[in-house]
Parts: sequence; structure tokens; C-alpha cells
Amino acid sequence: GESVGLHLPTLSVQEGDNSIINCAYSNSASDYFIWYKQESGKGPQFIIDIRSNMDKRQGQRVTVLLNKTVKHLSLQIAATQPGDSAVYFCAENSISSGSARQLTFGSGTQLTVLP
Amino acid sequence: DGGITQSPKYLFRKEGQNVTLSCEQNLNHDAMYWYRQDPGQGLRLIYYSQIVNDFQKGDIAEGYSVSREKKESFPLTVTSAQKNPTAFYLCASSIDLGARYGYTFGSGTRLTVV
Repeated sequence: GESVGLHLPTLSVQEGDNSIINCAYSNSASDYFIWYKQESGKGPQFIIDIRSNMDKRQGQRVTVLLNKTVKHLSLQIAATQPGDSAVYFCAENSISSGSARQLTFGSGTQLTVLP
Repeated sequence: DGGITQSPKYLFRKEGQNVTLSCEQNLNHDAMYWYRQDPGQGLRLIYYSQIVNDFQKGDIAEGYSVSREKKESFPLTVTSAQKNPTAFYLCASSIDLGARYGYTFGSGTRLTVV
């Protein structure tokens, strides 16, 4: 769901632990999903993507899991490092009011890595 | 290296003034987008363009205007009609409007009303 004001969901993890960030998407017709990382004062950066014909995709230290039954997406970060501290957004390519697909973004989760 | 360049990084606007934010890409992408981001919130779509000389309103277009005279450029003007313009503005581009491969974002412009 969308956050209001400054109530951004937060997650704090110890350095070296694994992080799991969750996202509920809205459109069952969406067939492409992306996770973005946004550091303070910067633009979002692509982390990893997954198409709807897959359940899991792995990158370097990151894994995305897709559960289409419950419309849920998660991002797992292994051995979390201080440089991972950022806001993480999920995005789905839902169909807009026209016929074209556009990315719809979640409200984001603030990940803080504790020393 | 290909990418999206937004300028300036910081912009200050006086009450009643129009200001223009620049966005240039050399990725040869057809589609371009402008988003607004307020503190602790997600991205809200202002305008998007699928092709040169064509653009469409997003969810919060009131008080904003755009142009797309060149494929590489998609400037955003924040007009005096925008009553609360202080925000972080992000420009993005994609290969096409179908979002099949995601968006590439610029580094943003922080606009403050003084």
C-alpha cells in the first residue's frame, strides 16, 4: 500500500545478516517486475528484475522471489553491507489507463544497516 | 557511456516564478517520463512522452508543462500555478512505452521555493 507523509516502512538489519524486503503488487496482469535502490539525494538504480514466467531470479548477493498467487514480490540481500542502506522500491508494469504498460512504483522501504 | 542527465541538481524558485528542469538522454530511448517525489513517499507520474512532439498527462500534471521537440530532450516547466512545487524531481527513459525492460533514471533535481 502507499505510505502517507513520512511513514515510510523501515527495516533495520545488522551488518552481515540477510535482509528481506517485501512488496505487494496490485495488478494480476502485470508480467514484469523490478527492484530499484535509491540512495539519499540520488535517482533510483536498477537492482534486479523478474518476468512473470519465473518464480525466482538471482543476481550478485540479491535474489528476487515472485509469488503470483498472492501477488507478492520480495528482495533478499545476502550478507548486508553498510552500502546497502537505501530506500528500495518495487515496480510492476501494469496497464495504464490507455493500452500501454507503464511502471507503477511501490512506496518504498527504508533499509538501515547497523554496525 | 550512455545515460540520463538532469540539470541543475539544485534549483530555487521564488513565488510566482516559472522554472524549467532539464533532462537529456543519449540512450536512444523513445519514451521519457517525469516523476515527483516528496519526502518519505514514492514516485508520482507528472508527464510522459512516447515519441517526439507527443506527450501525455500523468497523475499530477496540474501546474506543470513539458515539451518533446527532440528525442533526446524532455524539459519540465514548473509554473506558478503549481502551489506546492518543493520536491525532488526525477526524469526517466525507457526503450519504449511498454516498460518491457524497465526505466533508467537521472540523478534528480531538488526544487525549493524560497
